[in-house]
Amino acid sequence: QEKVQQSPESLIVPEGAMSSLNCTFSNSASQSIWWYQQHPGKGPEALISIFSNGNKKEGRLTVYLNRASLHVSLHIRDSQPSDSAVYLCAASTSGGNYKPTFGKGTSLVVHP
Amino acid sequence: NAGVIQTPRHKVTGKGQEATLWCEPISGHSAVFWYRQTIVQGLEFLTYFRNQAPIDDSGMPKERFSAQMPNQSHSTLKIQSTQPQDSAVYLCASSLVGQGYAEQFFGPGTRLTVL
Repeated sequence: QEKVQQSPESLIVPEGAMSSLNCTFSNSASQSIWWYQQHPGKGPEALISIFSNGNKKEGRLTVYLNRASLHVSLHIRDSQPSDSAVYLCAASTSGGNYKPTFGKGTSLVVHP
Repeated sequence: NAGVIQTPRHKVTGKGQEATLWCEPISGHSAVFWYRQTIVQGLEFLTYFRNQAPIDDSGMPKERFSAQMPNQSHSTLKIQSTQPQDSAVYLCASSLVGQGYAEQFFGPGTRLTVL
């Protein structure tokens, strides 16, 4: 069964700083990695996904995937107070029986 | 587009009572997922449907939990004889296709409290 672990559990950064979040997964055959953002009282919202080794950039977000080390990271440039939320990493394998596994999340606080 | 709709938003039941949670997926999405979220366990997969057919219910506690999708516009999660440990936020999500590359759209969740 796929296992997904996230670190750190919580992160506090000043406004304008870079926020770096980490995620490790257990199955090298995992097809896709998604990052979701969750604000209190709301459901998770998809931010960015990556399927191939390497990096992907969208706006202030950059995600790096290294399949050999089963590691993916999310970096938020110029962090804003509105980025304060829980960030969830999700991994899933390919095939007909798709079942995503989520990490427990990193709580990010960006203070003004 | 109203997004994924979940009702009720909050539900309080007494121990041993039944709870039925409702989910309306985004129109045109073929896959519907149910999750349970707690502080301790995080977001746990329960079950999912593709084109209304049950695909995987491996996360469902077998004896008291059941899920159905009678038509493409709604799914229900039923918990019989609720127990305090069932207290959690239950989230429903839908995606265009039931594959890993597809983004999941989550509803706001139903907070279930079992007294």
